[in-house]
Amino acid sequence: QMQLLESGGGVVQPGRSLRLSCAVSGFTFRSYGIHWVRQAPGKGLEWVAVISYDGSKTYYADSVKGRLTVSRDNSKDTAYLQMNSLRTEDTAVYYCAKEFTGFWLGDAFDLWGQGTTVIVSS
Amino acid sequence: DIQMTQSPSTLSASVGDRVTITCRASQSISDWLAWFQKKPGKAPNLLIFKASSLQSGIPSRFSGSGSGTEFTLTISGLQPDDFATYYCQHYSRSSWTFGQGTKVEIK
Repeated sequence: QMQLLESGGGVVQPGRSLRLSCAVSGFTFRSYGIHWVRQAPGKGLEWVAVISYDGSKTYYADSVKGRLTVSRDNSKDTAYLQMNSLRTEDTAVYYCAKEFTGFWLGDAFDLWGQGTTVIVSS
Repeated sequence: DIQMTQSPSTLSASVGDRVTITCRASQSISDWLAWFQKKPGKAPNLLIFKASSLQSGIPSRFSGSGSGTEFTLTISGLQPDDFATYYCQHYSRSSWTFGQGTKVEIK
C-alpha cells in the first residue's frame, strides 16, 4: 500500500529550528517529486516547497524562502523539511505529498501523508 | 505569480443538489488545474487533475471543466460524505498555487 508518513512536528519557540521527515512506502520513492504543503489553523492550504525526484531542483514559496530547506535521501526513502528561524506564522499542519507522474516536476499531487503539527510559540 | 480565486467561499446545499464551484486564474494556465477535497483532520484527496480528468477511485458525480482562466468543479447529486472544503490548485514546472477554498455545508 502506497503511503507517506510525516514526523518531527512539535512545539518550538520562535527563532528555533525543527526538522520534519516524510517517510514513504509502497512506491519507488526515487522516481517522484515530493512537495510540502501546510495548513495554518482556520486557514486554507498553502504550498511550501518541492524537491524533484533526483534532488536536482528545489522551489520554495516566498513566505519561507531562506528559512526552510527541502532535501531527500533516496537511499532511505525519506524527504525532509529543515525549518530554521521559525516564526509564529509558521504554526500549521505540514503535509508531504507525492507528484502524480514519475521523473517529472510539475504535476498534480496524487498521494498525501496525514500531516504533522508544528506549533511555534513562546 | 499566478493567483487562484475560488467562488463562493461558502456554499449551503442539501443532499441530492447539484453543486458548482468556480476557480479563476489571474492569467491563462491552460488546463494545469487540480481539485482536492479536504475534511478536518484528514489529508487532502485528489478529485480531478488536468482540469477534467477524474482521479481513479473518485465517484463519477464529480466532474471538472474549463481551460485558460476559468474552471468549474461540479458535484451532481450531493451525498452526505461530500460535505467538506474544496480547493483548486494550479500546477506547473515551477509554480504551485491553491485557491482559498470553498466550504460546502449542509443547508
